Amino acid sequence: KNQVEQSPQSLIILEGKNCTLQCNYTVSPFSNLRWYKQDTGRGPVSLTIMTFSENTKSNGRYTATLDADTKQSSLHITASQLSDSASYICVVSYNTNAGKSTFGDGTTLTVKP
Amino acid sequence: DAGITQSPRHKVTETGTPVTLRCHQTENHRYMYWYRQDPGHGLRLIHYSYGVKDTDKGEVSDGYSVSRSKTEDFLLTLESATSSQTSVYFCATIPGERATYTDTQYFGPGTRLTVL
Repeated sequence: KNQVEQSPQSLIILEGKNCTLQCNYTVSPFSNLRWYKQDTGRGPVSLTIMTFSENTKSNGRYTATLDADTKQSSLHITASQLSDSASYICVVSYNTNAGKSTFGDGTTLTVKP
Repeated sequence: DAGITQSPRHKVTETGTPVTLRCHQTENHRYMYWYRQDPGHGLRLIHYSYGVKDTDKGEVSDGYSVSRSKTEDFLLTLESATSSQTSVYFCATIPGERATYTDTQYFGPGTRLTVL
C-alpha cells in the first residue's frame, strides 16, 4: 500500500529559528515528490517539486531534500517568520500521467514571536 | 491560484439530498482533480479528469460522480449525501494542455460541506 508519513505531527518554534520537517514514503513506482504549504482555510500551495534524479531543491527560505534510496525527504525552513505558520504537506506521485498521488497528513508548524 | 474558483464555498445540506459542487478554471487546463480533506487523513483523490468527457476514479470515489462537458468546468455530485461526506472539498488543476511528471497541481480555495 502506498503511504506517506510525516513527522512531527506538530511543531512550535520561535521566530527566526530554523526547523526541519520529515517525510517518509513507500510509494511505488516513484514519479515525483512535492511539498505544499497550506494556510488555515485555504488550498495548498506548491513549494517545491523533485524528481528521482534531484536530491535538493530550494525556494527562498525553503529547501527540500530527497533521498530516493531510503525513500525519505525533508523540508528545511531557514530563519522562520510568523507567516510560516501553516500546515506543510508532503505528496508523492506514482502515476506518470499525472493521475494519482498519495498525500501525507501534514505537519502543523506554529511560529511564535 | 491558476484562476480556479469553486462554488459554493460553504454548504449545509441534509442526509439523502443530492449536492453538486462546481470547479471552474479560465486557463484551458486539461487536467482537473477533486479531493476531500479530513482531519487525520490528508487529502484524498475522489475523481480526476484528463479532458472533456474523460474522467477516472480516485481512491475514495464511492458515492461521488463527476462530469466534464466543457474544459473549464468540472462538477462533483454527491448523489445522496451522507454524514460521512461532511468534509472540505478541493479542486485542483495542472496548467498546460499536457501534464508531465514534473507537474504541479494548483488548488482552489475549497468548499466546506456539512451534511446533517
